[in-house]
Amino acid sequence: DVKVTQSSRYLVKRTGEKVFLECVQDMDHENMFWYRQDPGLGLRLIYFSYDVKMKEKGDIPEGYSVSREKKERFSLILESASTNQTSMYLCASSTPGQGMNQPQHFGDGTRLSIL
Amino acid sequence: AQSVSQHNHHVILSEAASLELGCNYSYGGTVNLFWYVQYPGQHLQLLLKYFSGDPLVKGIKGFEAEFIKSKFSFNLRKPSVQWSDTAEYFCAVNDANAGNMLTFGGGTRLMVKP
Repeated sequence: DVKVTQSSRYLVKRTGEKVFLECVQDMDHENMFWYRQDPGLGLRLIYFSYDVKMKEKGDIPEGYSVSREKKERFSLILESASTNQTSMYLCASSTPGQGMNQPQHFGDGTRLSIL
Repeated sequence: AQSVSQHNHHVILSEAASLELGCNYSYGGTVNLFWYVQYPGQHLQLLLKYFSGDPLVKGIKGFEAEFIKSKFSFNLRKPSVQWSDTAEYFCAVNDANAGNMLTFGGGTRLMVKP
C-alpha cells in the first residue's frame, strides 16, 4: 500500500517565519503535489513536481516555494508566513501512467496555523 | 481554466436513504473523473474513477457514479447509505491534455444520522 507521510499533523507558527512542510512517499512515484484545503473551496493545487529538481506552479503558488532534491521527498516552503496561509496542507503522489491519469495518493495532512 | 462545481455543500440523510451528490465540470474536452472521500480524521481516499468505456462506474463500498458527457456531469450515487458513510466527498477532474493536474470541487460534507 502506498504511504505518503507528512512530517507534522499540527503546526503553529508566527507571522513572518519561514515554514517548512515535509512530505515523503515510499512508492517511487514520479509525481508529487502540494494542495491546500479550505472549507468550501475544496483542494487547490499550490505546486507539483514530475521529477527530481523539476517543479511546476499550480493554481495558487504565490507566497510558496517547493524543493524536490530527492525523488521520495517534496518540501513546501512558506518564505514569510502570513495569517492567510492558515490552512490544511495536503501532499499527494502518483505515477505518471498511461495518459497521465493515475490516481493520487494523499497524506494525512498538516494543519498549519499562522498567528 | 477547468472548474468543478459541487452544488451541495452539506447533506444530512438518515440511514438507508438514497444518496446522490452532484458534480459538474466546465472543460469540454477529454477528461478523467474521480471521486475522493475523506472520513473524519483520515486522509483522502479514492472512491472511484472514470477514464473511458462504460459511463457507469462502480466504486468501493457500494458507491457508483455516472458520467454524462452532454451534461458535463459525474454524479455520485449510493442506493442506501450507512452511518459509516459520514464523510466529506470531493469530485475531481483531470484534463487529459494537462498532465496529472487535478481540479477539485469544493467538497460535500455528508452526515448520516443513525
